[in-house]
Amino acid sequence: EDKVVQSPLSLVVHEGDTVTLNCSYEVTNFRSLLWYKQEKKAPTFLFMLTSSGIEKKSGRLSSILDKKELFSILNITATQTGDSAIYLCAYGGATNKLIFGTGTLLAVQP
Amino acid sequence: DTEVTQTPKHLVMGMTNKKSLKCEQHMGHRAMYWYKQKAKKPPELMFVYSYEKLSINESVPSRFSPECPNSSLLNLHLHALQPEDSALYLCASSQGYRGANEKLFFGSGTQLSVL
Repeated sequence: EDKVVQSPLSLVVHEGDTVTLNCSYEVTNFRSLLWYKQEKKAPTFLFMLTSSGIEKKSGRLSSILDKKELFSILNITATQTGDSAIYLCAYGGATNKLIFGTGTLLAVQP
Repeated sequence: DTEVTQTPKHLVMGMTNKKSLKCEQHMGHRAMYWYKQKAKKPPELMFVYSYEKLSINESVPSRFSPECPNSSLLNLHLHALQPEDSALYLCASSQGYRGANEKLFFGSGTQLSVL
């Protein structure tokens, strides 16, 4: 059965810290890996990764995929309180639908 | 307009009630999705409509009945729900339907409580 595992489950940091969130997957017929940020209700899209070793960046956020080792990381530098959210990793594979991980709850304290 | 709008935001219903959740997007997207999210759990796919046709039904109980009247609207009709159906119901849309390679835009959800 395909699955996505995220770690840590929760994380508390102070403003200005750098955090690394992990997503590992066990899948058949991998197609893509997506990161979403869920603050209150609506998950918002961050990145879609399909190729190994190519870093995607958006401001203080960046993500990279390792298809050989079957994992992805999401980095957030110089964290702000507005980064507090649940970060969801989702994988797309043989079943042609997105399978979400359980998420990492990030709390950034002032 | 890059929004997916869901109404109502909150809904409380009894087990004998019939209610509907509504979702609307004006981005010209041709695929729309219903997800269910229980507290502290990831979203789980329920239904996918592609070009107004139901393309995926994830073995959802018949007390949930989706409807796609046109390419901009998606409804979820609810009847005889159980308390365990209480959850956040998220609607999403995507430009096309390539399944896992699509960027989904999510609405803010309807928080449903079944008493």
